Amino acid sequence: QQQVKQSPQSLIVQKGGISIINCAYENTAFDYFPWYQQFPGKGPALLIAIRPDVSEKKEGRFTISFNKSAKQFSLHIMDSQPGDSATYFCAASMYGGSNYKLTFGKGTLLTVNP
Amino acid sequence: DTGVSQDPRHKITKRGQNVTFRCDPISEHNRLYWYRQTLGQGPEFLTYFQNEAQLEKSRLLSDRFSAERPKGSFSTLEIQRTEQGDSAMYLCATGTSILRDTQYFGPGTRLTVL
Repeated sequence: QQQVKQSPQSLIVQKGGISIINCAYENTAFDYFPWYQQFPGKGPALLIAIRPDVSEKKEGRFTISFNKSAKQFSLHIMDSQPGDSATYFCAASMYGGSNYKLTFGKGTLLTVNP
Repeated sequence: DTGVSQDPRHKITKRGQNVTFRCDPISEHNRLYWYRQTLGQGPEFLTYFQNEAQLEKSRLLSDRFSAERPKGSFSTLEIQRTEQGDSAMYLCATGTSILRDTQYFGPGTRLTVL
């Protein structure tokens, strides 16, 4: 059972465009939703995160939109740059047993063309 | 560079051999996680330590896998009698009890079992 579903699997945008990646979750106990960026051969790097008490969070060119009723959240990358080309993962965790283990989506390979 | 280090970065071994990986967390991070990432997939949770106590193990962690965190500092992950299906990136992530949800990943150890 895949608890976090991510789409699209791959995405190609032009420099300066908007990249949008979507995720849906099933477990309503999830209460923390981070996005990670991963370059080839590297570990995932935390990009931005949101909790369900807010509907949107913005940090620079990156924005998370969160829809609690639909159990969906998305990452928007404004003014996409070639350096943003990487794999992006959404994830979710919950306060259960003081663990906070992350459940990841399958990832989206973003390519930004110059 | 998050400050989480892993060693080795790459390991090639023959089927049936034992391998051991090491993770050095960010100083004073008492939470430590191991994840496994296969090609084209998101990381999957393997096990969690709080200080030196191993508090959760995933069903993915067969009896051939063992993890330790002596003295609550560095951690090791050992795989005995490796199989080709063990080929993956093994990621370590650490965090603190103050920022409960936030996890910082190391660069990973790429294991190839021939």
